[in-house]
Amino acid sequence: QSALTQPPSASGSPGQSVTISCTGTSSDIGGYDYVSWYQQHPGKAPKRVIYEVNKRPSGVPARFSGSKSGSTASLTVSGLQAEDEADYYCSSFADSNKFVVFGGGTKLTVL
Amino acid sequence: QITLKESGPTLVKPTQTLTLTCTFSGFSLSTSGVSVGWIRQPPGKALEWLALIYWDDDRRYSPSLKSRLTVTKDTSKNQVVLTMTNMDPVDTATYYCAHSRSFDYWGQGTLVTVSS
Repeated sequence: QSALTQPPSASGSPGQSVTISCTGTSSDIGGYDYVSWYQQHPGKAPKRVIYEVNKRPSGVPARFSGSKSGSTASLTVSGLQAEDEADYYCSSFADSNKFVVFGGGTKLTVL
Repeated sequence: QITLKESGPTLVKPTQTLTLTCTFSGFSLSTSGVSVGWIRQPPGKALEWLALIYWDDDRRYSPSLKSRLTVTKDTSKNQVVLTMTNMDPVDTATYYCAHSRSFDYWGQGTLVTVSS
């Protein structure tokens, strides 16, 4: 059970779109439609922004969207705003739903 | 609304056993489909999943930590307890509990430092 692979950093200017990838295997992302994304501001608990690949919890802006292709999931933040600057983590179920695995996190900077 | 809160020691010595309690409200762990998970985050590092316990007492553990972890529930008290044995300085982290397998609600976290 290895961690999912995310780029350590991503950036964009206000109003632009940025996409963060999360790569796994057929045993996790590729095998289940149970990918979640979390936003974490410094000193705060993570907040779920996407679940089941592309579903947005109530209260999360429509600027956040998720997708999956094969064993790679993606989080897209459109119309970047200053408050979107945070760390983002992906997670997936793995190994017959027995486990959960997280990505290494991506620091999103709004230039 | 759903809330969770972690409690336990802030400092433990190497080789000691850590016991953390997650006290929650707004849901019941006796309801079918419900689960509570534990996740930790060393300072400046990534999230790491530790364990899950389901309404039917099914328990899942991180393979890399399975030998050191035990998770139990007390439905009457709305609590979940995580025990981690043989603590080491590398276990220094903020420990979170969260509702459901997709962690839709999180506690505020509790920082546990392992040091002699």
